[in-house]
Amino acid sequence: ELKVEQNPLFLSMQEGKNYTIYCNYSTTSDRLYWYRQDPGKSLESLFVLLSNGAVKQEGRLMASLDTKARLSTLHITAAVHDLSATYFCAVDRSNFGNEKLTFGTGTRLTIIP
Amino acid sequence: NAGVTQTPKFQVLKTGQSMTLQCAQDMNHEYMSWYRQDPGMGLRLIHYSVGAGITDQGEVPNGYNVSRSTTEDFPLRLLSAAPSQTSVYFCASRSRTGTGSSPLHFGNGTRLTVT
Repeated sequence: ELKVEQNPLFLSMQEGKNYTIYCNYSTTSDRLYWYRQDPGKSLESLFVLLSNGAVKQEGRLMASLDTKARLSTLHITAAVHDLSATYFCAVDRSNFGNEKLTFGTGTRLTIIP
Repeated sequence: NAGVTQTPKFQVLKTGQSMTLQCAQDMNHEYMSWYRQDPGMGLRLIHYSVGAGITDQGEVPNGYNVSRSTTEDFPLRLLSAAPSQTSVYFCASRSRTGTGSSPLHFGNGTRLTVT
């Protein structure tokens, strides 16, 4: 059974600081997604990582994937208040004809002015 | 472009009642799925469909039924509501590829309370 663990679960950080959220998973996969969820809202796709060594960047967020270590990171650079949200990683082991997408428990990020 | 539309947004049920959560997408996506979100547990897959007429169970299927008669619609039925089914329910869809490598598009969710 695939297990996906995120840490930390809660993160409170000051504006302007850098930090990293970690997503570890237990079974081989080379496809991983990051999503953002604002309170009371739906989930929004941030990054799609499809191979070992993949790196994607959007604004102050950068995601990477190391399939050998079974680890993905979401790095936040010079945090701003607008980045306050819950971030989920999801590991994809789906194949043609089935759906095997497992979500982490989420990291609730609060940016303090 | 509506994307994934869920109704209702909120629902309160008494134990033992039944109801159907509606989900429709206008992106011609083959894959559709239902997740429930509970505090501290992330999202868990209830049922999914890879195309019209095809459905399968996910991680937590008990107490729920689904059907997929059209590409656009994927309703979720609660047969006899229980307090343990109090949760936020998300419908999602994605395009079908050989390796399943496209991200999910989520609806806005249905917040269900069972008393």
